Amino acid sequence: EVQLVESGGGLVQPGRSLKLSCAASGFTFSNYGMHWIRQAPTKGLEWVASISPSGGSTYYRDSVKGRFTISRDNAKSTLYLQMDSLRSEDTATYYCATDQFGVMDAWGQGASVTVSS
Amino acid sequence: DIVMTQTPSSQAVSAGEKVTMSCKSSQSLLYNENKKNYLAWYQQKPGQSPKLLIYWASTRESGVPDRFIGSGSGTDFTLTISSVQAEDLAVYYCQQYYNFPPWTFGGGTKLELK
Repeated sequence: EVQLVESGGGLVQPGRSLKLSCAASGFTFSNYGMHWIRQAPTKGLEWVASISPSGGSTYYRDSVKGRFTISRDNAKSTLYLQMDSLRSEDTATYYCATDQFGVMDAWGQGASVTVSS
Repeated sequence: DIVMTQTPSSQAVSAGEKVTMSCKSSQSLLYNENKKNYLAWYQQKPGQSPKLLIYWASTRESGVPDRFIGSGSGTDFTLTISSVQAEDLAVYYCQQYYNFPPWTFGGGTKLELK
């Protein structure tokens, strides 16, 4: 059974940093691209970043480019999202998800990030 | 970027009703080489993470009940629930994977109890 477990969320002040992790199990992690998707309180889904199976290619939405870094450790079956220079508008639940030809076919339970002073 | 527009934003339904919801894309999601529409539907129940329901516009994910029917092509798509059950109350999102990045979602349709 595919399992994705996010961790590392919390309350952080504007301008500070936070690093999310997504521990994967139940599948061959190194064969799959991965995504981070976020959902602001009471809002819809917003794609944030993606990474290829090898980690050689990464993609970001414009609003996080230069501030967020997606990475992976295939030996540890873990996906990361380093979030720097956080803003109030980054407040959201962050989900990791597996990629299957562009479709997000398995999702974690989410990690809550609140950016506030 | 491809913009995805869902209507209605919310819909009140009774158990057993047939329900339809719409998703429109700002450009065609039909890839002529393979005749596939690069459109997926997700279901998000209250307090839960989203779950993939349908991909290629009409292919149900394994384990999804056959009352969920995806249809449409090009820029206009529909998710139909043939007979709504209480456990189907959720927010439904469409998502395009024709042209990325960015992957883009619609704003969602919330099914509520009448």
